[in-house]
Amino acid sequence: GAGVSQSPSNKVTEKGKDVELRCDPISGHTALYWYRQSLGQGLEFLIYFQGNSAPDKSGLPSDRFSAERTGGSVSTLTIQRTQQEDSAVYLCASSLDSRYQPQHFGDGTRLSIL
Amino acid sequence: GNSVTQMEGPVTLSEEAFLTINCTYTATGYPSLFWYVQYPGEGLQLLLKATKADDKGSNKGFEATYRKETTSFHLEKGSVQVSDSAVYFCALRRAGDDKIIFGKGTRLHILP
Repeated sequence: GAGVSQSPSNKVTEKGKDVELRCDPISGHTALYWYRQSLGQGLEFLIYFQGNSAPDKSGLPSDRFSAERTGGSVSTLTIQRTQQEDSAVYLCASSLDSRYQPQHFGDGTRLSIL
Repeated sequence: GNSVTQMEGPVTLSEEAFLTINCTYTATGYPSLFWYVQYPGEGLQLLLKATKADDKGSNKGFEATYRKETTSFHLEKGSVQVSDSAVYFCALRRAGDDKIIFGKGTRLHILP
C-alpha cells in the first residue's frame, strides 16, 4: 500500500498495562508525526521525527509516553502504565520533508483503557 | 499562543445547501492554513491549504480564503452532497515550524 499504515487499528487494555502502537510511514518520507485525538478535543500534537535529528518531544503529555523511530522509517509509540485518560485515537502522519509538504495521515489506532 | 477556533458541530444541512464552516486563528507571523477532512472510518486527508494572505485554496468544490485582516479561513461549498458528510478540521502551521495546530473539528451531516 502507498499510504501511512498503523497497527493495531483497535487496542483494548487494562489500566496499568503498557501498550505499543506502530506506524509505517510512506516510503521515502523523512518526517513522521504522532497526534492524539481525544473525545471532544481537537487533534493534539505529541512528537515529531525528522531524519536523523533529535525528535521534538514537546507535545508528550507525561514521561509515561515515549516514541522511537528505527532506521528512519517505522515508529513505535509506547505508553507505560496506561491510565483511563489515555483513551483516544492515536494518529500518525508522514511527509516528504518537514517544510511545506502536506502531511499524510494513517487511519489511526483507537486505544481504549478499561 | 497559537490556536485555532472553529464552529462547533454537528452541522446538519440538506443536500445542495450552501455550506460555511467558520475558522479563526491566533498566531504570530504568517502561518500556513489548512483544512483537513476525516470521512467516516478513514484517516485524515488534506482538503486544501493556503500559504499567504489573500490566497484561496480549493478542492472538490470546497474553497477557503486566507484573510489576514480578520484572521479567518472559513470553509465554503456552494452545493453540498451526502458524500461530504465528514469531520472537518481547520489547522495552522507557523512559519518556520513543523507542527500543525488543529481546531477541535466540525462534524458535518448532509441529509438526502
